[in-house]
Amino acid sequence: GAGVSQSPRYKVAKRGQDVALRCDPISGHVSLFWYQQALGQGPEFLTYFQNEAQLDKSGLPSDRFFAERPEGSVSTLKIQRTQQEDSAVYLCASSPTNLFGNTIYFGEGSWLTVV
Amino acid sequence: SQKIEQNSEALNIQEGKTATLTCNYTNYSPAYLQWYRQDPGRGPVFLLLIRENEKEKRKERLKVTFDTTLKQSLFHITASQPADSATYLCALDISFSSNTGKLIFGQGTTLQVKP
Repeated sequence: GAGVSQSPRYKVAKRGQDVALRCDPISGHVSLFWYQQALGQGPEFLTYFQNEAQLDKSGLPSDRFFAERPEGSVSTLKIQRTQQEDSAVYLCASSPTNLFGNTIYFGEGSWLTVV
Repeated sequence: SQKIEQNSEALNIQEGKTATLTCNYTNYSPAYLQWYRQDPGRGPVFLLLIRENEKEKRKERLKVTFDTTLKQSLFHITASQPADSATYLCALDISFSSNTGKLIFGQGTTLQVKP
């Protein structure tokens, strides 16, 4: 497709369950980002990839959060032993280069509810 | 501490009027500032980017100003239409100081344009 694609769009997980969220960036985009957005708040940075290299994971809230992009295209955000405070929208975004001041293209998000 | 603030209350205006949204920040030195539009249940969509050495940027009915002395950006929508109703997010690009492409978002301002 033409845009950033995320799946699943909606996920309900029981507390303690592991979840995996997938992101298909725009083809050829070098940079990939994951953001977390709580209700009524702006997106908060989680992690950044340049191709397959994870250059910044400073926003990951705990060691239960893990992200990978093994071949420099598709990325997966994994959350282990989910807790209620993990309930949020997880947004993936990509941009065509690693240059600063780029336009960033967001996906529609994966809505996670932990019950 | 580092902070980004947008009008927390919703902005309600009449169709045809100019909407002005404010973004203030402290303790950042962004090289760029970006504005995004977000509709309910959707990901943010890029609107405009302004560089630190630019005072003003225009795109169709949109105008952004960036005052690095006041640490403030103003976002204007002229001749507003009901279709402009959405949440508008400002985002600081601190790539130069963070060495990644991450954006720091404000919490967003919801604009409602009434016919």
